[in-house]
Amino acid sequence: QVHLQESGPGLVKPSQTLSLTCAVSGDSVSTADYFWSWIRQRPGKGLEWIGYISYSETTYYSPSLKSRLTISVDTSKNEFSLKLSSVTAADTAVYYCARRMGPGRGWFDPWGQGALVTVSS
Amino acid sequence: DIQMTQSPSSLSASVGDRVSITCRASQNINNHLHWYQQKPGKAPKLLIFDAFVLGEEVPSRFSGSGSGTVFTLTITSLQPEDFATYYCQQSQNTPPETFGQGTKVEI
Repeated sequence: QVHLQESGPGLVKPSQTLSLTCAVSGDSVSTADYFWSWIRQRPGKGLEWIGYISYSETTYYSPSLKSRLTISVDTSKNEFSLKLSSVTAADTAVYYCARRMGPGRGWFDPWGQGALVTVSS
Repeated sequence: DIQMTQSPSSLSASVGDRVSITCRASQNINNHLHWYQQKPGKAPKLLIFDAFVLGEEVPSRFSGSGSGTVFTLTITSLQPEDFATYYCQQSQNTPPETFGQGTKVEI
Protein backbone atom coordinates (compact mmCIF):
# COMPACT_ATOMS: atom_id res chain seq x y z
CA GLN A 1 0.00 0.00 0.00
CA VAL A 2 1.33 3.40 -0.97
CA HIS A 3 1.76 5.91 1.84
CA LEU A 4 2.84 9.55 1.71
CA GLN A 5 3.92 11.59 4.71
CA GLU A 6 4.67 15.31 4.80
CA SER A 7 7.19 16.82 7.17
CA GLY A 8 8.66 20.25 7.82
CA PRO A 9 8.40 23.34 10.00
CA GLY A 10 4.91 24.36 11.01
CA LEU A 11 5.84 28.02 11.41
CA VAL A 12 7.68 30.18 8.89
CA LYS A 13 8.44 33.89 9.15
CA PRO A 14 7.29 36.27 6.42
CA SER A 15 9.79 36.68 3.55
CA GLN A 16 11.48 33.38 4.41
CA THR A 17 11.35 30.08 2.53
CA LEU A 18 8.79 27.38 3.26
CA SER A 19 10.29 23.91 2.96
CA LEU A 20 8.41 20.62 3.10
CA THR A 21 9.33 17.04 2.32
CA CYS A 22 7.09 14.15 1.36
CA ALA A 23 8.35 10.67 2.18
CA VAL A 24 6.98 7.94 -0.05
CA SER A 25 6.62 4.32 0.98
CA GLY A 26 5.15 1.41 -0.95
CA ASP A 27 6.17 2.90 -4.29
CA SER A 28 9.20 4.50 -5.91
CA VAL A 29 9.45 8.14 -6.94
CA SER A 30 11.27 6.79 -10.00
CA THR A 31 8.24 4.80 -11.15
CA ALA A 32 7.41 5.71 -14.71
CA ASP A 33 4.32 7.79 -15.47
CA TYR A 34 3.60 9.17 -12.01
CA PHE A 35 3.67 12.82 -11.03
CA TRP A 36 4.60 13.59 -7.43
CA SER A 37 2.42 16.52 -6.45
CA TRP A 38 1.86 19.30 -3.99
CA ILE A 39 -1.59 20.75 -3.31
CA ARG A 40 -2.54 23.26 -0.66
CA GLN A 41 -5.69 24.36 1.13
CA ARG A 42 -5.88 27.76 2.74
CA PRO A 43 -7.98 27.92 5.93
CA GLY A 44 -11.64 27.42 5.08
CA LYS A 45 -10.93 27.35 1.35
CA GLY A 46 -10.76 24.84 -1.48
CA LEU A 47 -7.94 22.85 -3.03
CA GLU A 48 -5.20 24.66 -4.95
CA TRP A 49 -2.73 22.78 -7.12
CA ILE A 50 0.84 23.94 -6.52
CA GLY A 51 2.87 21.77 -8.86
CA TYR A 52 4.41 18.38 -9.49
CA ILE A 53 7.52 16.59 -10.62
CA SER A 54 7.57 13.64 -12.96
CA TYR A 55 9.52 10.42 -12.65
CA SER A 56 12.00 11.94 -15.10
CA GLU A 57 12.31 14.99 -12.83
CA THR A 58 10.46 17.35 -15.16
CA THR A 59 8.62 19.97 -13.14
CA TYR A 60 5.28 21.64 -13.73
CA TYR A 61 4.28 24.62 -11.61
CA SER A 62 1.20 26.70 -10.99
CA PRO A 63 1.63 29.93 -12.97
CA SER A 64 0.71 31.98 -9.91
CA LEU A 65 3.49 30.42 -7.81
CA LYS A 66 6.08 29.62 -10.44
CA SER A 67 8.44 32.50 -9.64
CA ARG A 68 8.76 31.38 -6.00
CA LEU A 69 8.52 27.62 -6.32
CA THR A 70 10.94 24.72 -6.53
CA ILE A 71 9.94 21.07 -6.45
CA SER A 72 12.67 18.46 -6.39
CA VAL A 73 13.07 14.75 -5.86
CA ASP A 74 15.63 12.67 -3.97
CA THR A 75 15.56 9.17 -5.37
CA SER A 76 18.07 7.89 -2.81
CA LYS A 77 15.64 8.75 0.00
CA ASN A 78 12.49 8.08 -2.04
CA GLU A 79 11.09 11.48 -1.24
CA PHE A 80 10.25 14.76 -2.93
CA SER A 81 10.31 18.30 -1.66
CA LEU A 82 8.70 21.70 -1.95
CA LYS A 83 10.39 25.06 -1.47
CA LEU A 84 8.33 28.24 -1.64
CA SER A 85 10.28 31.45 -1.21
CA SER A 86 9.31 34.93 -0.05
CA VAL A 87 6.26 33.69 1.81
CA THR A 88 3.50 35.91 3.14
CA ALA A 89 0.47 35.30 5.32
CA ALA A 90 -1.40 34.30 2.16
CA ASP A 91 0.76 31.17 2.02
CA THR A 92 -0.62 29.93 5.32
CA ALA A 93 -2.29 26.64 4.46
CA VAL A 94 -2.39 22.91 4.89
CA TYR A 95 0.05 21.49 2.35
CA TYR A 96 -0.69 18.04 0.95
CA CYS A 97 1.54 15.81 -1.09
CA ALA A 98 -0.12 13.34 -3.41
CA ARG A 99 0.63 10.94 -6.22
CA ARG A 100 -0.90 11.97 -9.52
CA MET A 101 -1.38 9.15 -11.91
CA GLY A 102 0.16 9.39 -15.34
CA PRO A 103 -1.06 10.52 -18.74
CA GLY A 104 -4.64 9.47 -19.33
CA ARG A 105 -5.12 8.73 -15.63
CA GLY A 106 -5.22 12.21 -14.13
CA TRP A 107 -6.45 11.65 -10.61
CA PHE A 108 -4.61 12.13 -7.30
CA ASP A 109 -4.31 9.05 -5.14
CA PRO A 110 -3.20 8.61 -2.44
CA TRP A 111 -2.74 11.82 -0.47
CA GLY A 112 -0.58 12.50 2.54
CA GLN A 113 -2.27 13.53 5.76
CA GLY A 114 -1.29 17.17 5.26
CA ALA A 115 1.03 19.60 7.02
CA LEU A 116 -0.22 22.89 8.40
CA VAL A 117 2.20 25.72 7.72
CA THR A 118 1.58 29.09 9.33
CA VAL A 119 3.38 32.18 8.08
CA SER A 120 3.76 34.60 10.94
CA SER A 121 6.44 36.63 12.68
CA ASP B 1 -7.18 27.14 -18.14
CA ILE B 2 -10.28 25.04 -17.64
CA GLN B 3 -12.55 26.38 -14.91
CA MET B 4 -14.60 23.99 -12.78
CA THR B 5 -17.82 25.15 -11.12
CA GLN B 6 -19.70 23.09 -8.58
CA SER B 7 -23.27 23.55 -7.47
CA PRO B 8 -24.59 23.93 -4.94
CA SER B 9 -21.82 25.28 -2.69
CA SER B 10 -23.52 23.63 0.24
CA LEU B 11 -26.60 21.59 0.94
CA SER B 12 -28.48 20.27 3.91
CA ALA B 13 -29.73 16.72 3.88
CA SER B 14 -30.85 13.94 6.16
CA VAL B 15 -29.70 10.39 6.61
CA GLY B 16 -31.33 8.29 3.92
CA ASP B 17 -31.71 11.14 1.44
CA ARG B 18 -30.59 11.00 -2.18
CA VAL B 19 -28.11 13.80 -2.89
CA SER B 20 -26.73 15.08 -6.18
CA ILE B 21 -23.85 17.48 -6.78
CA THR B 22 -23.12 19.02 -10.17
CA CYS B 23 -19.74 19.96 -11.60
CA ARG B 24 -19.51 22.01 -14.78
CA ALA B 25 -16.37 22.48 -16.86
CA SER B 26 -15.72 25.61 -18.91
CA GLN B 27 -14.90 23.44 -21.93
CA ASN B 28 -15.18 19.84 -23.04
CA ILE B 29 -13.22 17.52 -20.78
CA ASN B 30 -14.62 14.25 -22.17
CA ASN B 31 -14.70 11.93 -19.14
CA HIS B 32 -11.56 13.24 -17.45
CA LEU B 33 -13.38 14.20 -14.27
CA HIS B 34 -12.63 12.95 -10.78
CA TRP B 35 -14.39 13.32 -7.42
CA TYR B 36 -12.92 13.54 -3.93
CA GLN B 37 -14.41 13.43 -0.45
CA GLN B 38 -12.86 15.46 2.35
CA LYS B 39 -13.88 15.17 5.97
CA PRO B 40 -12.96 17.90 8.48
CA GLY B 41 -9.28 17.83 9.41
CA LYS B 42 -8.54 15.04 6.94
CA ALA B 43 -6.94 14.78 3.55
CA PRO B 44 -9.14 14.42 0.47
CA LYS B 45 -9.87 10.87 -0.58
CA LEU B 46 -10.42 9.72 -4.16
CA LEU B 47 -14.05 8.67 -4.64
CA ILE B 48 -14.58 8.39 -8.38
CA PHE B 49 -12.22 8.68 -11.34
CA ASP B 50 -12.89 9.09 -15.03
CA ALA B 51 -16.40 10.34 -14.31
CA PHE B 52 -17.97 7.09 -13.15
CA VAL B 53 -15.37 4.54 -11.95
CA LEU B 54 -15.53 3.96 -8.19
CA GLY B 55 -12.29 4.19 -6.27
CA GLU B 56 -11.01 1.40 -4.11
CA GLU B 57 -13.39 0.42 -1.29
CA VAL B 58 -15.84 3.20 -2.14
CA PRO B 59 -19.39 2.13 -1.28
CA SER B 60 -21.79 1.50 -4.14
CA ARG B 61 -24.17 4.21 -2.90
CA PHE B 62 -21.79 6.65 -4.61
CA SER B 63 -22.05 7.03 -8.35
CA GLY B 64 -20.82 9.41 -11.00
CA SER B 65 -22.18 10.33 -14.37
CA GLY B 66 -21.73 12.79 -17.18
CA SER B 67 -19.42 13.58 -20.03
CA GLY B 68 -18.27 16.66 -21.86
CA THR B 69 -18.98 19.65 -19.62
CA VAL B 70 -21.58 18.52 -17.08
CA PHE B 71 -21.03 15.87 -14.44
CA THR B 72 -22.96 14.63 -11.43
CA LEU B 73 -21.99 12.93 -8.21
CA THR B 74 -24.93 11.10 -6.64
CA ILE B 75 -25.16 9.60 -3.20
CA THR B 76 -28.15 7.35 -2.73
CA SER B 77 -29.31 6.83 0.84
CA LEU B 78 -26.96 9.28 2.57
CA GLN B 79 -25.16 7.82 5.58
CA PRO B 80 -23.80 9.68 8.64
CA GLU B 81 -20.22 9.17 7.45
CA ASP B 82 -21.02 10.88 4.12
CA PHE B 83 -21.33 14.33 5.64
CA ALA B 84 -18.24 15.97 4.16
CA THR B 85 -17.07 18.32 1.44
CA TYR B 86 -16.85 17.02 -2.11
CA TYR B 87 -14.54 18.34 -4.83
CA CYS B 88 -14.35 17.68 -8.55
CA GLN B 89 -11.11 17.89 -10.55
CA GLN B 90 -10.47 17.85 -14.29
CA SER B 91 -7.48 16.29 -16.03
CA GLN B 92 -8.38 16.83 -19.67
CA ASN B 93 -6.10 19.79 -20.18
CA THR B 94 -3.30 19.98 -17.65
CA PRO B 95 -1.27 21.50 -16.20
CA PRO B 96 -2.59 23.43 -14.45
CA GLU B 97 -4.71 21.00 -12.48
CA THR B 98 -8.03 22.57 -11.55
CA PHE B 99 -10.55 21.74 -8.87
CA GLY B 100 -14.09 22.85 -8.26
CA GLN B 101 -14.67 25.08 -5.27
CA GLY B 102 -16.25 22.28 -3.25
CA THR B 103 -19.73 21.31 -2.05
CA LYS B 104 -20.32 20.89 1.65
CA VAL B 105 -22.95 18.30 2.57
CA GLU B 106 -24.35 19.10 5.99
CA ILE B 107 -26.95 17.58 8.23
